[in-house]
Amino acid sequence: GQQVMQIPQYQHVQEGEDFTTYCNSSTTLSNIQWYKQRPGGHPVFLIQLVKSGEVKKQKRLTFQFGEAKKNSSLHITATQTTDVGTYFCAGWGDSSYKLIFGSGTRLLVRP
Amino acid sequence: GAGVSQSPRYKVAKRGQDVALRCDPISGHVSLFWYQQALGQGPEFLTYFQNEAQLDKSGLPSDRFFAERPEGSVSTLKIQRTQQEDSAVYLCASSPGGVTGELFFGEGSRLTVL
Repeated sequence: GQQVMQIPQYQHVQEGEDFTTYCNSSTTLSNIQWYKQRPGGHPVFLIQLVKSGEVKKQKRLTFQFGEAKKNSSLHITATQTTDVGTYFCAGWGDSSYKLIFGSGTRLLVRP
Repeated sequence: GAGVSQSPRYKVAKRGQDVALRCDPISGHVSLFWYQQALGQGPEFLTYFQNEAQLDKSGLPSDRFFAERPEGSVSTLKIQRTQQEDSAVYLCASSPGGVTGELFFGEGSRLTVL
């Protein structure tokens, strides 16, 4: 079945450093979503990418969707303590009612 | 405004007991999903409803798990004869239209089976 993998599993950075998490799918995705889950909280939607090669920015966050629509990345510039949490990518298959989540990357930021 | 509401927030069950978890989606949302999230893991898909129709239940781990949404709004996830491996947070999410839209998650129901 379809699998969505993320690396790294954990990232511990100094406040002000950059952070990147990578997402890879075993199958082509119709689109990809990113969610953030704060400790003890629930996943909150960040963005959806649909087009091959698409790049979207939200303030310090940059999201990319690969040309083959099988991979994606999230880059955070100059991390802040408020960025702490686990970042999940999630992909829809072409013929599925399932949104499959990756295993997540947990970001810890040292003040 | 009202978001997705789940109850109970916490449930402790003895092994072998039946439990029922409730989800109130955002009013008017067509799609409803149930996910299971173990500690330190990503949400695992359980089942999907479009209005009252259960279109995908391929993620339900065994026939002890049953979900319904009889009137196309509130949904209940029932787990019969609970086992320790059922301990997890059960997340409900809804979205306005059909599949591929943004999911709005509830706070989850944390189930602990002793």
